[in-house]
Amino acid sequence: QKEVEQNSGPLSVPEGAIASLNCTYSDRVSQSFFWYRQYSGKSPELIMSIYSNGDKEDGRFTAQLNKASQYVSLLIRDSQPSDSATYLCAVAVNTGNQFYFGTGTSLTVIP
Amino acid sequence: DGGITQSPKYLFRKEGQNVTLSCEQNLNHDAMYWYRQDPGQGLRLIYYSQIVNDFQKGDIAEGYSVSREKKESFPLTVTSAQKNPTAFYLCASSEQGRRGEAFFGQGTRLTVV
Repeated sequence: QKEVEQNSGPLSVPEGAIASLNCTYSDRVSQSFFWYRQYSGKSPELIMSIYSNGDKEDGRFTAQLNKASQYVSLLIRDSQPSDSATYLCAVAVNTGNQFYFGTGTSLTVIP
Repeated sequence: DGGITQSPKYLFRKEGQNVTLSCEQNLNHDAMYWYRQDPGQGLRLIYYSQIVNDFQKGDIAEGYSVSREKKESFPLTVTSAQKNPTAFYLCASSEQGRRGEAFFGQGTRLTVV
């Protein structure tokens, strides 16, 4: 199994702060990278995808990818209590149609 | 509305019994997946299918079986050979060539009683 590593947390940030979530992966041929959000008891939903080195911004979310360091991160600006969830990193490799998930980081935004 | 539907939401299985979890999608997606989620272990891939009548084992396929007779449907059977089936099961689908951009069903929580 391709390894995708995340700090399980929990990560707590005050409302309005920047939350930084990190993910490393072991397979150098990994091609595509994704962040999913999962609320407790619910199914994951895709919030960001990133395919090339650098930053990708979507509203309050910024994904950062560094393939040389095998590292992808998610920044959440102006964190809100509604952002409290588990964030799953996923990685797709070149071959086959699979993609692999990390164990997720639990984020709590404190009002 | 387009989406992916899993049923039932909750399922109780007696030891030694086979049970089948349903997954239906109307997104016209070619690829479908089954994941198992245990606390603290993220999502682990059980089986996936890229086209009708074809499927491949994931990392934890032992004790499970699937079929893909229709593009819309990808049922998962948890057999009596699966020794620890209590978990949250998630079905997902994606467009061919857009793996990783998956839509998930609401999940089935299976409990052995």
